[in-house]
Amino acid sequence: AQSVSQHNHHVILSEAASLELGCNYSYGGTVNLFWYVQYPGQHLQLLLKYFSGDPLVKGIKGFEAEFIKSKFSFNLRKPSVQWSDTAEYFCARGSGTYKYIFGTGTRLKVLA
Amino acid sequence: DTGVSQDPRHKITKRGQNVTFRCDPISEHNRLYWYRQTLGQGPEFLTYFQNEAQLEKSRLLSDRFSAERPKGSFSTLEIQRTEQGDSAMYLCASNPGQLNEQFFGPGTRLTVL
Repeated sequence: AQSVSQHNHHVILSEAASLELGCNYSYGGTVNLFWYVQYPGQHLQLLLKYFSGDPLVKGIKGFEAEFIKSKFSFNLRKPSVQWSDTAEYFCARGSGTYKYIFGTGTRLKVLA
Repeated sequence: DTGVSQDPRHKITKRGQNVTFRCDPISEHNRLYWYRQTLGQGPEFLTYFQNEAQLEKSRLLSDRFSAERPKGSFSTLEIQRTEQGDSAMYLCASNPGQLNEQFFGPGTRLTVL
């Protein structure tokens, strides 16, 4: 069965620190990959997506992710985090033609 | 607001009662999805509609769960004879096609006492 793994469950950073959140997906099938963010009290919002083409994907709010096929990875990065980036981050892949498979999420806390 | 809406936002019920949740997708999105999210986990797929047709149901969706999308617009998710293990956030999402990201609603948080 297809799966998504997020190995960092909780991350604490100071403002201006660099961020990298890991995401690995299982082999097989079409690879459509997404990062969603959930700010406290808000619904899931799309940060960025990868379907094909340039493996370096730019998203909103200064986030980017790199699709590395050989490593089955799609890590999320941001060069300098802000307090407002405190949220839970979910990696997901499209499975088959429609449903998403999500990772367990990473809770990021940014200290002011 | 033209996003996905869900009602109610919170529901507290006693074990054994039936509950029904509603989802209104973004207008003209023909694909609608239900997910369930428990504490410390990512959302888990429950079921998927394309227009009014329910095309897939997860094994997570026991016989006590039923979902409908009668006219291809809003959808309802009903849980009969609720159990404490049904306590979770129930999320609805929609998109206009396979190669488009899913847009999520705010969810309905169910607490079964």
